[in-house]
Amino acid sequence: DVKVTQSSRYLVKRTGEKVFLECVQDMDHENMFWYRQDPGLGLRLIYFSYDVKMKEKGDIPEGYSVSREKKERFSLILESASTNQTSMYLCASSLISGLNTGELFFGEGSRLTVL
Amino acid sequence: AQSVTQLDSHVSVSEGTPVLLRCNYSSSYSPSLFWYVQHPNKGLQLLLKYTSAATLVKGINGFEAEFKKSETSFHLTKPSAHMSDAAEYFCVVSGGFKTIFGAGTRLFVKA
Repeated sequence: DVKVTQSSRYLVKRTGEKVFLECVQDMDHENMFWYRQDPGLGLRLIYFSYDVKMKEKGDIPEGYSVSREKKERFSLILESASTNQTSMYLCASSLISGLNTGELFFGEGSRLTVL
Repeated sequence: AQSVTQLDSHVSVSEGTPVLLRCNYSSSYSPSLFWYVQHPNKGLQLLLKYTSAATLVKGINGFEAEFKKSETSFHLTKPSAHMSDAAEYFCVVSGGFKTIFGAGTRLFVKA
């Protein structure tokens, strides 16, 4: 089974702190994604990566950056956390190239609260 | 351009009765369509997918969906709800290098 692991399930941070959210997948997938999930808004794409050291902006990249130094690992970075970044963050991976994806495999999510 | 609309934010059914979760989409491409389920405090799991083969798609846990191009719909159904079906369900359209998630439908199942 594909496994996508998000290292932190729950985090509480203060405004202005730097936040790292880590995601690791074990199926050698080329594509990895970071989504933000908010009630009533579904999932919104923050960033995605289709190869090591490659990244593309999604629909809501402002206030976020990403890093993909190894194929299996995709990190989301909040340089200076703000209260409006309080949310559930979901990492996903897929095998098919580009955004015309087949199945997305999701981690269990990281719930971030910024005080 | 693509969009997906889940017509109900909440659906409540009694255990043992049918489930219908409605989804309409628009796409300039021949889309792939998916339904995902999310149980509380969990990630999303694929229920089923349509990728231009059979229009009636069967998924896990007794769910199925029918692709109707003329109605631009991809409604999710199950003949008999179980308590364990209580969750949030997302309809997803993918095509033209974009994947769009619906806002979600929360399914409540009453004993």
